[in-house]
Amino acid sequence: LAKTTQPISMDSYEGQEVNITCSHNNIATNDYITWYQQFPSQGPRFIIQGYKTKVTNEVASLFIPADRKSSTLSLPRVSLSDTAVYYCLVGDQAGGGNKLTFGTGTQLKVEL
Amino acid sequence: NAGVMQNPRHLVRRRGQEARLRCSPMKGHSHVYWYRQLPEEGLKFMVYLQKENIIDESGMPKERFSAEFPKEGPSILRIQQVVRGDSAAYFCASSPRAGGEKLFFGSGTQLSVL
Repeated sequence: LAKTTQPISMDSYEGQEVNITCSHNNIATNDYITWYQQFPSQGPRFIIQGYKTKVTNEVASLFIPADRKSSTLSLPRVSLSDTAVYYCLVGDQAGGGNKLTFGTGTQLKVEL
Repeated sequence: NAGVMQNPRHLVRRRGQEARLRCSPMKGHSHVYWYRQLPEEGLKFMVYLQKENIIDESGMPKERFSAEFPKEGPSILRIQQVVRGDSAAYFCASSPRAGGEKLFFGSGTQLSVL
C-alpha cells in the first residue's frame, strides 16, 4: 500500500483558498487518490477522487502532477465550517475499503 | 434515502461486559466495513463483510472481537469481555460494490469502558 505524507495541521482565514498537499512517492499504476473530510464525532465524508491531472467538483479541486507522486487538494474560499481533518488516501480502484489506510490527516482550522 | 445508521451513538460498558455495535448500511449497499479510531489517530480497518460473509478480517483482533452481517438486519460488531483499551470510536461504512473506494460512513459509536 502506498504511504502518504501530509501536513499535520494548517491554519487559514475565511474567504481564503486552502491548498493541502499530500506526498505519495511509491504510488502504483493502478492506484487512485482519494480525499476524505472528517468533522469531530462524525465519520469521514468523501470529497474527491482522481487519477491524474485535475478533477473538480462542487466542493473542491484535486491537482495531480504528471509523475503522480503528490497531489493537492484545493478548497476555494473556505469558511468556518470547513474546519475539519482532511485525509489523503491512495489505493487500487479495484480494491475496497479494506485496502484503505487512513493516516492522521491534516487538521485544518479556519478562523474569522 | 437514509445514510449509514449506527447505534447506539454512545455506549458505556464496565470491564468484562459485552458490547454490541450495530450498523445499517445505505439502501442497496451490500458491502460493509468496520473501522476503529483512537483519539488523535486515523481510522484503522477492522473487518469487511458482505451479506452473510466475512471477506477480510485481517484488522480485527483474534480474541474477543467478532462481526456478522446477516441476510436480514444490520451488521453487528461484537466485543466480548471489554477492556479499557477497547475504548474508541467505531465507524461503519458501506458501499454498493467492492471497489471504487468511495465509502459512505456512519456517525460512529463511541465506546467507553469504565
